Amino acid sequence: GAGVSQSPSNKVTEKGKDVELRCDPISGHTALYWYRQSLGQGLEFLIYFQGNSAPDKSGLPSDRFSAERTGGSVSTLTIQRTQQEDSAVYLCASSFGDRDYNQPQHFGDGTRLSIL
Amino acid sequence: GNSVTQMEGPVTLSEEAFLTINCTYTATGYPSLFWYVQYPGEGLQLLLKATKADDKGSNKGFEATYRKETTSFHLEKGSVQVSDSAVYFCALLNAGNNRKLIWGLGTSLAVNP
Repeated sequence: GAGVSQSPSNKVTEKGKDVELRCDPISGHTALYWYRQSLGQGLEFLIYFQGNSAPDKSGLPSDRFSAERTGGSVSTLTIQRTQQEDSAVYLCASSFGDRDYNQPQHFGDGTRLSIL
Repeated sequence: GNSVTQMEGPVTLSEEAFLTINCTYTATGYPSLFWYVQYPGEGLQLLLKATKADDKGSNKGFEATYRKETTSFHLEKGSVQVSDSAVYFCALLNAGNNRKLIWGLGTSLAVNP
């Protein structure tokens, strides 16, 4: 489809394992965002990519979290040595970015991460 | 800093009732304001937006007016349907360099037939 695609849709893993979450944005969108939606916590900004600029990592909760975006398109969010508090739905969004900053962000369906 | 406060849920209404979900914000400058909706089992979808004071966003019978004097962006619908049952999120777009959305906690709406 033409929307933001995230994979996997669900991930269950043991505490201490590393996980990789993938986001494929809408074609032509230069801005890509990662958010985390925890139960009762609302949505929390994690990281923002805009074109070839250095990403804004100000929302990453710890150095166990990292993200990259290759070729200005697909992004992966990596969580190392997962902890139970990492359990959440991880959402990816994309937009046209600086073309018009009022352009809405389009969201994927998210990856539900459960840490046992 | 920027923040969004929206009314707590859950909100339960009968079909055809009038809906208001309150949203107020704190921001520097002139943010853009959004309502997103998350239907059961689905991802977040943009419902409506307003980019400057006194703008009214509307979609699917929902409306919200950007009120700078009261720093509010309340969501309204005159006659709700069962299919409107969802979680509604008010959000503010940070006009800074990273364009990140600042979110309210969400309001769950259940509409009974």
